[in-house]
Amino acid sequence: KAGVTQTPRYLIKTRGQQVTLSCSPISGHRSVSWYQQTPGQGLQFLFEYFSETQRNKGNFPGRFSGRQFSNSRSEMNVSTLELGDSALYLCASSLDGTTNYGYTFGSGTRLTVV
Amino acid sequence: GENVEQHPSTLSVQEGDSAVIKCTYSDSASNYFPWYKQELGKRPQLIIDIRSNVGEKKDQRIAVTLNKTAKHFSLHITETQPEDSAVYFCAATFKGGGNKLTFGTGTQLKVEL
Repeated sequence: KAGVTQTPRYLIKTRGQQVTLSCSPISGHRSVSWYQQTPGQGLQFLFEYFSETQRNKGNFPGRFSGRQFSNSRSEMNVSTLELGDSALYLCASSLDGTTNYGYTFGSGTRLTVV
Repeated sequence: GENVEQHPSTLSVQEGDSAVIKCTYSDSASNYFPWYKQELGKRPQLIIDIRSNVGEKKDQRIAVTLNKTAKHFSLHITETQPEDSAVYFCAATFKGGGNKLTFGTGTQLKVEL
């Protein structure tokens, strides 16, 4: 059974550009959450999607957006990149969008903004 | 607000000793408390979790205890091994936050030979 797949693994972008990251959850999982991990701020919640609907959103500016497709795959987009957006972006999937079965993280996308 | 405090930030133990990491949370209505292990360059992996209706849970060398009155929970690792060396994160869900996990700041555990 494949785990949570995130692509690409690494990205280097220039300030002002935009970026799209992809997350494919474990087969059958309907919930995808996104987290940003930095040395200074730790793991911070970005948003959660369940059945193509955003159910929850963290305290990030509107430059951060996401969506979920009918096959549960999710994408997040960051526009007008800033140096401070450099981070490891992790997605986590869960079976039914509750904590009953726990969350499984992907290996993340390492974004570097130069 | 939603807050999880984690201590210590670094912990060094000798192989075979026990390690304890503690977290406190701010909302008495929190009901789910997972622990994740993250090795260098790898994804966080769920190692154990506990719910508010349980006081303790064990899985081989790992145990988690929850004190709802004091609003804190702890991870206990017995008979530590070098492969236990990693960063450990506690987390909690908060009332009104859905299934959003709020994480502690992490503990770098080093098991020395």
